[in-house]
Amino acid sequence: GQSLEQPSEVTAVEGAIVQINCTYQTSGFYGLSWYQQHDGGAPTFLSYNGLDGLEETGRFSSFLSRSDSYGYLLLQELQMKDSASYFCAVRDQRNAGNMLTFGGGTRLMVKP
Amino acid sequence: NAGVMQNPRHLVRRRGQEARLRCSPMKGHSHVYWYRQLPEEGLKFMVYLQKENIIDESGMPKERFSAEFPKEGPSILRIQQVVRGDSAAYFCASARDRGRETEAFFGQGTRLTVV
Repeated sequence: GQSLEQPSEVTAVEGAIVQINCTYQTSGFYGLSWYQQHDGGAPTFLSYNGLDGLEETGRFSSFLSRSDSYGYLLLQELQMKDSASYFCAVRDQRNAGNMLTFGGGTRLMVKP
Repeated sequence: NAGVMQNPRHLVRRRGQEARLRCSPMKGHSHVYWYRQLPEEGLKFMVYLQKENIIDESGMPKERFSAEFPKEGPSILRIQQVVRGDSAAYFCASARDRGRETEAFFGQGTRLTVV
């Protein structure tokens, strides 16, 4: 089966950099996605890594190492509005990579 | 282009009643996924549908739960004889096609409370 591990909670201050790690176990791995979810809101797509390396989108970057079954989400220049839950999710061989299996989420609290 | 629309946003049911949750995917999207989320937890996959077909229902309880995505109209997640443990947020996501890198767009969810 699949399993994903990520820290349950992270706290950081405005302007800082924070890294949220995700390790996974799955068969037939296709790629790793990251989603952001504010309290009471819908998960929104942040990034996808299908190959090893770093993907950068503005203040957010995501990294994948397939050999280590490991990825991370990097948030720079933290803002108060970044306080939310962040989920890593794998696409694997089930249904040819068309499904997402989510980790338990990391609750990020940004303090002034 | 409206996003994924779910209704109702909030639903209260007494134990033993039926709950019907609706999801209209984004225009042009023919793949629909339903997820359940308990407070402070991640999203758990329930079922994956295409128009008129259930592709994967491995995450859906065998009893009381059913899902459909008819040729016309929204996808429906039906929970019969609800129990308190069914209280959760139910999210629907849609995608355009089967591509591995195709982004899935989520609706705002339906928060079901069973009293």
